Amino acid sequence: AQKITQTQPGMFVQEKEAVTLDCTYDTSDQSYGLFWYKQPSSGEMIFLIYQGSYDEQNATEGRYSLNFQKARKSANLVISASQLGDSAMYFCAMREGPGNTGFQKLVFGTGTRLLVSP
Amino acid sequence: NAGVTQTPKFQVLKTGQSMTLQCAQDMNHEYMSWYRQDPGMGLRLIHYSVGAGITDQGEVPNGYNVSRSTTEDFPLRLLSAAPSQTSVYFCASSYSIQGPGGTYNEQFFGPGTRLTVL
Repeated sequence: AQKITQTQPGMFVQEKEAVTLDCTYDTSDQSYGLFWYKQPSSGEMIFLIYQGSYDEQNATEGRYSLNFQKARKSANLVISASQLGDSAMYFCAMREGPGNTGFQKLVFGTGTRLLVSP
Repeated sequence: NAGVTQTPKFQVLKTGQSMTLQCAQDMNHEYMSWYRQDPGMGLRLIHYSVGAGITDQGEVPNGYNVSRSTTEDFPLRLLSAAPSQTSVYFCASSYSIQGPGGTYNEQFFGPGTRLTVL
């Protein structure tokens, strides 16, 4: 069975600094995908970034990048130039099964709460 | 577009009562799903649907029923509420997208329903 581990319950960072949120995963599948979601205090889940297991380049979306180290089974989220609005819970997730078209079940980690201070 | 809407936002039930959590999306997405979020845990999949008339179970389906008569609506029914069903419930709609890392579902989440069962 697939498993996502996020070992940092909370992280603090100063505004404008970069921060790395850790995520390790366990799977026996060759094909898999990794996601990061943001959950602000308002509660909704917001998709940030996706990395496929066969993608050799780290995914990037604006200030978000995913540091994908396949051999170490880690998929850390890097937020550059933190902003106050980045304060939120962040969840790492993995899709179960191959990445073909169709509904993809997700397995979520327990989350990391990020607090950005002025 | 309203995106994914959920009603109610908050609900308190007594043990044994039944109720329906409503979910609607206006993005014409094929896939819809229900998750629950408990403290200290990531989201867990309850049920999902790949189209009108087609539903299937997720990781934690017991005590819940779903149906999907239209593309837009995906209600979640609690048949006989139990304290263990106290949770925050999220509905999501999604579609398959081809990205650099392969095919994945881009999920759009509703704002959540906070349910307390006494």
